[in-house]
Amino acid sequence: DGGITQSPKYLFRKEGQNVTLSCEQNLNHDAMYWYRQDPGQGLRLIYYSQIVNDFQKGDIAEGYSVSREKKESFPLTVTSAQKNPTAFYLCASSTPTGTPSTEAFFGQGTRLTVV
Amino acid sequence: AQKVTQAQTEISVVEKEDVTLDCVYETRDTTYYLFWYKQPPSGELVFLIRRNSFDEQNEISGRYSWNFQKSTSSFNFTITASQVVDSAVYFCALLFAGGTSYGKLTFGQGTILTVHP
Repeated sequence: DGGITQSPKYLFRKEGQNVTLSCEQNLNHDAMYWYRQDPGQGLRLIYYSQIVNDFQKGDIAEGYSVSREKKESFPLTVTSAQKNPTAFYLCASSTPTGTPSTEAFFGQGTRLTVV
Repeated sequence: AQKVTQAQTEISVVEKEDVTLDCVYETRDTTYYLFWYKQPPSGELVFLIRRNSFDEQNEISGRYSWNFQKSTSSFNFTITASQVVDSAVYFCALLFAGGTSYGKLTFGQGTILTVHP
């Protein structure tokens, strides 16, 4: 079945550590996104990518980095510069805007906790 | 600036009541898409509907209906005869199809809907 796979489901990070969240899609979508969700704040865009080897910062990119070496994969690294990384992270993908079925599909999320 | 506002943080209803979730958006772009998503306790966002900026037709799907009004920049969602299974967080979102924010998906803060038996 086509979809988006995020791993791991739960992740624990020690202070000062970098961690990488995985996001893989087999929907052949061009665009991919990373969101952070905090209680009462909805979803905030961290990074997004329209095509391979290109990505743009979203609203809260500080302390995060991404890469897009393959169409199917858009990993997110939470660096030690991110002072408050505990949150629920959602990855999404979509077809190009303007196509008849434009919509964003989401993974099941990764819950990151700093210990 | 692009922005989506869901003014209702939490709504609580009793089963079989009708409930409307409000969504207001701001954009300078003329080409965009509006969405509603449902987030059950499992966390994954479930797509409910998409509407493009050139299509102001209202839509009904079973107990769900949507009212899109460009004149007031609103895209409201009504659940008729609510059920306990409708309890979730609902998000309204805006996807830009042109201009400098091409491809950027912006979400509202979400509305927590609780339906009591």
